[in-house]
Parts: sequence; C-alpha cells; structure tokens
Amino acid sequence: ETGVTQSPTHLIKTRGQQVTLRCSSQSGHNTVSWYQQALGQGPQFIFQYYREEENGRGNFPPRFSGLQFPNYSSELNVNALELDDSALYLCASSLSVGGAGETQYFGPGTRLLVL
Amino acid sequence: GENVEQHPSTLSVQEGDSAVIKCTYSDSASNYFPWYKQELGKRPQLIIDIRSNVGEKKDQRIAVTLNKTAKHFSLHITETQPEDSAVYFCAAPDNYGQNFVFGPGTRLSVLP
Repeated sequence: ETGVTQSPTHLIKTRGQQVTLRCSSQSGHNTVSWYQQALGQGPQFIFQYYREEENGRGNFPPRFSGLQFPNYSSELNVNALELDDSALYLCASSLSVGGAGETQYFGPGTRLLVL
Repeated sequence: GENVEQHPSTLSVQEGDSAVIKCTYSDSASNYFPWYKQELGKRPQLIIDIRSNVGEKKDQRIAVTLNKTAKHFSLHITETQPEDSAVYFCAAPDNYGQNFVFGPGTRLSVLP
C-alpha cells in the first residue's frame, strides 16, 4: 500500500451543493495531482499542486478548485455540484524535482455520488 | 496534446496462459510509461513502468516493452493467475510532462 490517504471514503451530495475532498501525500512527496474517474473509464487529470501552487490543469471548469498546504496535503473543492460530477476522485502524490515523468502513487479515492 | 489508446478493452485467458495488452501514444517526446492495476473498488496500483532509454523491463511474471519508433508499449503477463484479474491502465505524460493521460483500460479475466 502507498502512504497516500484520502478522506472521506464516500460522500453523497445533492445538485448545487459544494464538496471538499482531502488528500495526504506520501512522506517525502511534494506534489499532489487530482484525477476524476468515472465508472468504467480511466482517470482524467483535473489539476496538480506543486509547492502550494497550481502546476497544470486539465479540461475541468473553474468550479473545480484546489489548495495545497505547507505539509503538502491538498484539498479539492467542487462548487455547484452536477449529476455528472458523480465519480471516484483520486489523488496521487509524487516527488517532483522539475523533470518529466515522475512516478505517481494513488490514494484509495473518495467516491462521490450527486443526487 | 497526448492521446493514449489501449487494446483490447476486455481480455479473457485461461489460468497459466499469457496476456498481452498494448497501448499507443501520440507525443514522441513522452519518455515515461507506467502501468497500473485496479481491482474492483480499489486504487490504481503501479505494477511496472519503463523509461524511454530502455526497450524492455521485467519484474517476475510481468514485463513491459517499448517501441519508441512506433510509439507503442505493451504489458506482458506470463503464467497468469486468478488474482491477476483486474482492470489494467497504461499512461503517458501529458504536455506538461508531469501528469498523465490514461488509456481507457483493459479488463483482464483469468479463468480457472
């Protein structure tokens, strides 16, 4: 098992609500990436945080936002929830030293259901 | 941007047989290719990876081969066991080089 943890494990919300998901990175890692995995699909990149700054973003609207804290843990916030936001949200931590292709280790995910 | 295709989408093999999953990528600058295994309800787990300076890497029953000219890489599992049954994802770095574009996945079933 990786040292990456996420909370909560499951969450049920209704349309229009807001949600905050949390991730603690593996010890020694300074980068957290967030992915959305819809049922039966591969993970889709949302954004990455490196040294508390957003360091790349996928094709997701601004209502998806995030934070990284000095201890490298991270939050994903989603506002104005839509039904299509129902998915498994995965965070992945890595050690970035500026190069490409850093190995990413996934947390167990938060399963979000929007009703 | 990077585009990753993966085939087949489903694969059934008899226990003890070999399984091969192939991925193609579009960005010739990509230089690192991980493979993840995801069991039902669990996190994607890194099982093997390869960097572009080698053509093959092995770890017990699992191997990955890379053909940079053709821009494809393959996962090979030998002597399959029922516990190998899972969804397998390949990935390649996106334009920023730090994050990954994942293939759509291959559902492998190992039949006893």
